[in-house]
Amino acid sequence: DAMVIQNPRYQVTQFGKPVTLSCSQTLNHNVMYWYQQKSSQAPKLLFHYYDKDFNNEADTPDNFQSRRPNTSFCFLDIRSPGLGDAAMYLCATSVRLGQETQYFGPGTRLLVL
Amino acid sequence: GNSVTQMEGPVTLSEEAFLTINCTYTATGYPSLFWYVQYPGEGLQLLLKATKADDKGSNKGFEATYRKETTSFHLEKGSVQVSDSAVYFCALSSNSGGSNYKLTFGKGTLLTVNP
Repeated sequence: DAMVIQNPRYQVTQFGKPVTLSCSQTLNHNVMYWYQQKSSQAPKLLFHYYDKDFNNEADTPDNFQSRRPNTSFCFLDIRSPGLGDAAMYLCATSVRLGQETQYFGPGTRLLVL
Repeated sequence: GNSVTQMEGPVTLSEEAFLTINCTYTATGYPSLFWYVQYPGEGLQLLLKATKADDKGSNKGFEATYRKETTSFHLEKGSVQVSDSAVYFCALSSNSGGSNYKLTFGKGTLLTVNP
C-alpha cells in the first residue's frame, strides 16, 4: 500500500543533543510537510517542501531545519533540542499545493531528557 | 484570516448513541473542508472531506455537509462504536491568499465511547 512512513516512532534525546527525524513516502507526492503537535493541541505547521523548494513558516524557530534529498525522503533536524520541543512530529504529503488532501504518517514522539 | 471553531470536548457517549461534533469556520474564498481522526498515539487520518457548498462527505458511517450559508461542517454518525474513540479535528484549506497550502485546524474534540 502507498503510504507515509516515519521512523522512529519514538525518539529519546538529551537536552541540546542534535536529533534527526525521518519521513519517507511511496505516494510520489510533490509536497511534504512537517508539523509539530503538542499534547492536546492541533498540529502546527513548521515548514513544507514543494519539490525542492523549501518554505519555512514565519514562526518556526531557527532550531528546526529540514532536508529533502529526493522525492521520497524528508528529514527534520532539531539542532539543539530543548525541553519545550518534546512533542509529536507529524509528516504529511500532498499531490500539489492548494486545496489538496494531506496524507499523514503515524508520527514520531520525541522525548527530551 | 482563516479559523476553525469546533465544539469543546471531551464528549462521552454510550455505544450506539448518535454523535454530533459541531464545526464552524471563517475563511476567505471558497475553502475545502476536512475531518481528520487521530487514534491514541497515532498520526492523523483523513475521515472525510468536501470541496464545495452542499457537498456531503461520508466515510465509515460518518457524514458532514458543507453548509456555506451557516459556514458549518458538522460531523455526525448515527450509531457510534467503542472503536470510534479518538480525537476528531475539523480543518479547512482556503483557495485564496498566499497560504493556500495551509491546513487550518480546529482544536480537536476527544470522543470516548463506552460499551
